[in-house]
Amino acid sequence: EAGVAQSPRYKIIEKRQSVAFWCNPISGHATLYWYQQILGQGPKLLIQFQNNGVVDDSQLPKDRFSAERLKGVDSTLKIQPAKLEDSAVYLCASSPGWGSTDTQYFGPGTRLTVL
Amino acid sequence: QKEVEQNSGPLSVPEGAIASLNCTYSDRGSQSFFWYRQYSGKSPELIMFIYSNGDKEDGRFTAQLNKASQYVSLLIRDSQPSDSATYLCAVSGTGGFKTIFGAGTRLFVKA
Repeated sequence: EAGVAQSPRYKIIEKRQSVAFWCNPISGHATLYWYQQILGQGPKLLIQFQNNGVVDDSQLPKDRFSAERLKGVDSTLKIQPAKLEDSAVYLCASSPGWGSTDTQYFGPGTRLTVL
Repeated sequence: QKEVEQNSGPLSVPEGAIASLNCTYSDRGSQSFFWYRQYSGKSPELIMFIYSNGDKEDGRFTAQLNKASQYVSLLIRDSQPSDSATYLCAVSGTGGFKTIFGAGTRLFVKA
C-alpha cells in the first residue's frame, strides 16, 4: 500500500512570495490533515478535511493560508504572502475514518524556508 | 486552551535500560491517546494508542493511562540505540476530534 505523498520536499522562498504544497493521501482514506511543525515543537493542526468538507480550521491563519481538497482526494495548502515565521515543516496526514480513535499516517513533509 | 505537556528532555538512558516517557493533558474529555516516534528529519510514526485506563503492552513498549490524573506514559524496555528519537504524545477526542500533540521528549539511548 502506497503511503501519503507530498511535494515538493523542500522549498525556499523570499518573504511576501507565495507557495503551494500538494498532498495525496493513502487511497480510500476519508480524512486528511495538514500540520505545521516548527523546529523543536510538536505538529500543530492547521486544517482537517473529512472527504472534501472542512471539519476544523480553527488554527489556520486565514488571512494568508488557504487549503482545498479536490473531489475528496488530493489536497493543496497555499501560503500567500509568506512571512518569516512560516518557516517550518508542513506535514500532511490521512486516516481511514473520521473518529477520534483513528490512526493518522504521515507523509514525508515539506520543509519550507522563508528568507 | 487545551494542552498536552511533555518534558522536552533530553532523556538519556543506557542500552538495555527502561526508558520512561511522561505526558499530561488538560482536557478531561479526551478519549484517545497516541504515542508517535519521530526520528530527526523524518515524519512521525505511530508506536501505540490507548483508550482505556490501565496498561497496554506491545512488544518492548507499554503505554499506561490514568484518566483521573490526566496522565499517560510510555515505557520502553530493553532500550536500544535505534530507539533514540523524539517521542510525541498526542491526545484527541474533544471538540471535533482534533488531535493535539505535545512538543515531544528527546530520548538518547547510549550504547
